[in-house]
Amino acid sequence: KQEVTQIPAALSVPEGENLVLNCSFTDSAIYNLQWFRQDPGKGLTSLLLIQSSQREQTSGRLNASLDKSSGRSTLYIAASQPGDSATYLCARGGGSSNTGKLIFGQGTTLQVKP
Amino acid sequence: KAGVTQTPRYLIKTRGQQVTLSCSPISGHRSVSWYQQTPGQGLQFLFEYFSETQRNKGNFPGRFSGRQFSNSRSEMNVSTLELGDSALYLCASSMDRGWAEQYFGPGTRLTVT
Repeated sequence: KQEVTQIPAALSVPEGENLVLNCSFTDSAIYNLQWFRQDPGKGLTSLLLIQSSQREQTSGRLNASLDKSSGRSTLYIAASQPGDSATYLCARGGGSSNTGKLIFGQGTTLQVKP
Repeated sequence: KAGVTQTPRYLIKTRGQQVTLSCSPISGHRSVSWYQQTPGQGLQFLFEYFSETQRNKGNFPGRFSGRQFSNSRSEMNVSTLELGDSALYLCASSMDRGWAEQYFGPGTRLTVT
């Protein structure tokens, strides 16, 4: 069974701190891994997409890495801001190019305190 | 470029009724997927459509169905609503099925009373 686990479930940090969110998955035969942000009651905003052939992707203060051999991905947020407060979800792509199906973790709810 | 749009945004229905939700993907995107999000189960895959064909289906009862039109717009239907169907229903679109980045709409909040 393909599963995705995110630890911790919740995280509270002071503004300015660098932090790492973890995502682990079973079955290393993933096609890609995508990180999303979700604000309360809203849809998902795509943050970073890492293809299975890549090791990491960067966008502004965000850096996501992928280690297929260990079944792990991390999302690094530099210099956190109160506006970063949201739930962060990682999702692995299906095991083939024939499907866009995503399998989601339960998310990490981040609170950045001013 | 307009994002993924979903209508309606909010819906209240009674048990036993049926409901139809609509999703318009980003222009040029041919793949549309649907997800159900609940506090207990998180985000669960419902189905995926590509070029008007259902390519993948999640583990949901037959009361959940969908379709995609030639303009890539998609609808999902839930018949004989149950209280447990109350959820946020999210639609995602992408250029292709496998490697492409998925873009999500704002969702439809369905409440079944």
